[in-house]
Amino acid sequence: GAVVSQHPSWVICKSGTSVKIECRSLDFQATTMFWYRQFPKQSLMLMATSNEGSKATYEQGVEKDKFLINHASLTLSTLTVTSAHPEDSSFYICSATSGRARNEQFFGPGTRLTVL
Amino acid sequence: AQSVTQLDSQVPVFEEAPVELRCNYSSSVSVYLFWYVQYPNQGLQLLLKYLSGSTLVKGINGFEAEFNKSQTSFHLRKPSVHISDTAEYFCAVSDPSTSYGKLTFGQGTILTVHP
Repeated sequence: GAVVSQHPSWVICKSGTSVKIECRSLDFQATTMFWYRQFPKQSLMLMATSNEGSKATYEQGVEKDKFLINHASLTLSTLTVTSAHPEDSSFYICSATSGRARNEQFFGPGTRLTVL
Repeated sequence: AQSVTQLDSQVPVFEEAPVELRCNYSSSVSVYLFWYVQYPNQGLQLLLKYLSGSTLVKGINGFEAEFNKSQTSFHLRKPSVHISDTAEYFCAVSDPSTSYGKLTFGQGTILTVHP
């Protein structure tokens, strides 16, 4: 149980285009989802926290107009990187918690974004 | 504010040797503590967690950790490592008083097990 999937697992796009990454909780209802980015050989940095049906809360320094987060249902959250540039290339990881186990985050497998 | 420091960025060991990965945290409030493992190009998998109770916590794959409040540490140990334990390990902390379980991660420790 407690499986989180991400799609796509990797994506390559041209500079200036937008990319959408999906995060799904497959066997539980995710009341809260988190989006992280991880640069090579670095730790995970929290980008934003989203609760189903409400606006995401962004961490300091994260541009909310560039990284659009939608959490429209209890099993799906999306991250859209708008007008992507090479410096946005990174590994993006989502995680989810449920109401019953809010002390544990279940992580997705990550999405490798490369912007050319 | 909370912070986590993993004292070793890389730890090389030989197969079947014991290993300890060190983690210290700073927080003005009580904390929950976690250790995660990340294999290349994958997400994070929970190894173990401390929420309350016994300070010695046992996790998956033979790992254990001990919460030491006076030293604000949560070191991860395994008595005998395998080649398959080669991965990056992250220590993380959260504030129990928050609703959403927001995690703060350490910088990570790369464990390399040599034959």
